[in-house]
Amino acid sequence: KNEVEQSPQNLTAQEGEFITINCSYSVGISALHWLQQHPGGGIVSLFMLSSGKKKHGRLIATINIQEKHSSLHITASHPRDSAVYICAVEEGGTSYGKLTFGQGTILTVHP
Amino acid sequence: DAGVIQSPRHEVTEMGQEVTLRCKPISGHNSLFWYRQTMMRGLELLIYFNNNVPIDDSGMPEDRFSAKMPNASFSTLKIQPSEPRDSAVYFCASSLIGTGGYNEQFFGPGTRLTVL
Repeated sequence: KNEVEQSPQNLTAQEGEFITINCSYSVGISALHWLQQHPGGGIVSLFMLSSGKKKHGRLIATINIQEKHSSLHITASHPRDSAVYICAVEEGGTSYGKLTFGQGTILTVHP
Repeated sequence: DAGVIQSPRHEVTEMGQEVTLRCKPISGHNSLFWYRQTMMRGLELLIYFNNNVPIDDSGMPEDRFSAKMPNASFSTLKIQPSEPRDSAVYFCASSLIGTGGYNEQFFGPGTRLTVL
């Protein structure tokens, strides 16, 4: 079973700061997902990537397949970015989207 | 599209009662996932279906849990009898899985279950 570890578990930042959340996994994968869960509880998919880098607005996700590591960056952080960020991996060799989740990183951005 | 729809949004029941959670996936999606989220264990996959067929139910905690997908637009997760340790938020998600394999999952709003 893939072990997915995120760091840090809790992160507090001031508005405008650059934020990095890390995710490492133990077994080769076909894809890695970054999810966002807001205080209200809803979960949305931010990124799905299998190599390189993706960018959506102020969010950037990178993955290094050889090192089994991914990072989620937030530039110019804002209080509305406060949420739980969850890394999830999709096992290699399957085509059915089965995800294994990290424990999540709680991000709080203060104005 | 309305997204993934779950009902009820909140459920409070007493130990020993049967609980049924419902999910309507996004139209056209061929895969459906049931997840459970607790403070202690985070998000866990319970079971997932592809083309209405259960593919992997290894995450279902015990025989008290069962899930069905009678057609492409409806799935249920049943707990009978319920226990206090089943208290959690249950999420349903759907996706369109193709020959390329991976694809974005769309989550429903979740059902918050409290078993007294």
